[in-house]
Amino acid sequence: AQSVTQPDIHITVSEGASLELRCNYSYGATPYLFWYVQSPGQGLQLLLKYFSGDTLVQGIKGFEAEFKRSQSSFNLRKPSVHWSDAAEYFCAVGPTGAAGNKLTFGGGTRVLVKP
Amino acid sequence: NAGVMQNPRHLVRRRGQEARLRCSPMKGHSHVYWYRQLPEEGLKFMVYLQKENIIDESGMPKERFSAEFPKEGPSILRIQQVVRGDSAAYFCASSRTQRETEAFFGQGTRLTVV
Repeated sequence: AQSVTQPDIHITVSEGASLELRCNYSYGATPYLFWYVQSPGQGLQLLLKYFSGDTLVQGIKGFEAEFKRSQSSFNLRKPSVHWSDAAEYFCAVGPTGAAGNKLTFGGGTRVLVKP
Repeated sequence: NAGVMQNPRHLVRRRGQEARLRCSPMKGHSHVYWYRQLPEEGLKFMVYLQKENIIDESGMPKERFSAEFPKEGPSILRIQQVVRGDSAAYFCASSRTQRETEAFFGQGTRLTVV
């Protein structure tokens, strides 16, 4: 069965500092990988996605993620955090070419940004 | 082009009542997915519907929960005889086809059972 683990439940980072959120997955086939952000009281917004090709993926809001098949990881990074990045971040894995069907989400990492 | 619209945004129900959650997909989207987010947890897949058809309901509880997506109108997630454990945020997502690379999520309905 597929699973997604986000080891860090909370992360506090100073504004302007770099951010890295960890994501490890277990999936039997070639996965589609996603990072979503959820601001308080809001829905999920897609930051970036990976299907194939270049393992370094660029997303919106200055985020990027790197797919490492050997480590079953898809970590999210941002070089310089802004206060507006305070939110909860979810990593998700899904079956190839199946849009929103049966996405498996990690438990989320809540990011707090200090001024 | 409006996004995925869910209503109500907040819903309070007493134990034993029925809850109806509505989801209007993005224009041109005929595939809808429902997810539930329990407090302090990630989202869990519930059901996948296409117009007038349930494609995959493997994540739906066997009792009290049902979903539909009629030819006209929004998709409805119905919870009968709600219990405190049903308190959660329910999110709907939609896509144009099954093989799209992205589904767009609504803002969710936060159900509180008192």
